[in-house]
Amino acid sequence: GAVVSQHPSRVICKSGTSVKIECRSLDFQATTMFWYRQFPKQSLMLMATSNEGSKATYEQGVEKDKFLINHASLTLSTLTVTSAHPEDSSFYICSAIAQDFYEQYFGPGTRLTVT
Amino acid sequence: AQKVTQAQTEISVVEKEDVTLDCVYETRDTTYYLFWYKQPPSGELVFLIRRNSFDEQNEISGRYSWNFQKSTSSFNFTITASQVVDSAVYFCALSEAGLKMDSSYKLIFGSGTRLLVRP
Repeated sequence: GAVVSQHPSRVICKSGTSVKIECRSLDFQATTMFWYRQFPKQSLMLMATSNEGSKATYEQGVEKDKFLINHASLTLSTLTVTSAHPEDSSFYICSAIAQDFYEQYFGPGTRLTVT
Repeated sequence: AQKVTQAQTEISVVEKEDVTLDCVYETRDTTYYLFWYKQPPSGELVFLIRRNSFDEQNEISGRYSWNFQKSTSSFNFTITASQVVDSAVYFCALSEAGLKMDSSYKLIFGSGTRLLVRP
């Protein structure tokens, strides 16, 4: 099946700094990628939809200036958490949809801890 | 609005027992997809099944089976002869099946059911 990678898998950063998470589709081109957030023992909540070459569409309540999304190519989307705070600590998961079919493939997730 | 409800927060069974995880959904769409995912402690989501709204046939895959009932808006998942390796959080999810490729396929997840299979 299709593979989606995320980098880094874990990151610890200090409060006030920014951190970038990469999501890559390794063996297919993804016109659309999604970013989800999962707090401990909770469900996945969609943060934004990322389309190659256009601005991301954010879900209600998600600050677009706080969570910057860039989908510069058909295989890469990045999520930058700007001026991170401890409450941003969470598990961030991306998924990608290929051009020719609608199956959604999930990355392994990135655990962000802000100290 | 779309919504997925997994009323069972946590289920604990003894190995070899059968267990059913419930999923009830709400949508105004006539065409939609339903999914089940498994999330082991490692965190990575494992795709189990996708079912479209026009296909009400039940499906069996090894020890896993799914019962889709549009009349009750339910898509329940049964594990037969459970094993310790089945311990995980299981999510039911719903997506539209529209023509647009951008946001139509975003998934609405239920709150998940944590399954613990004891030896």
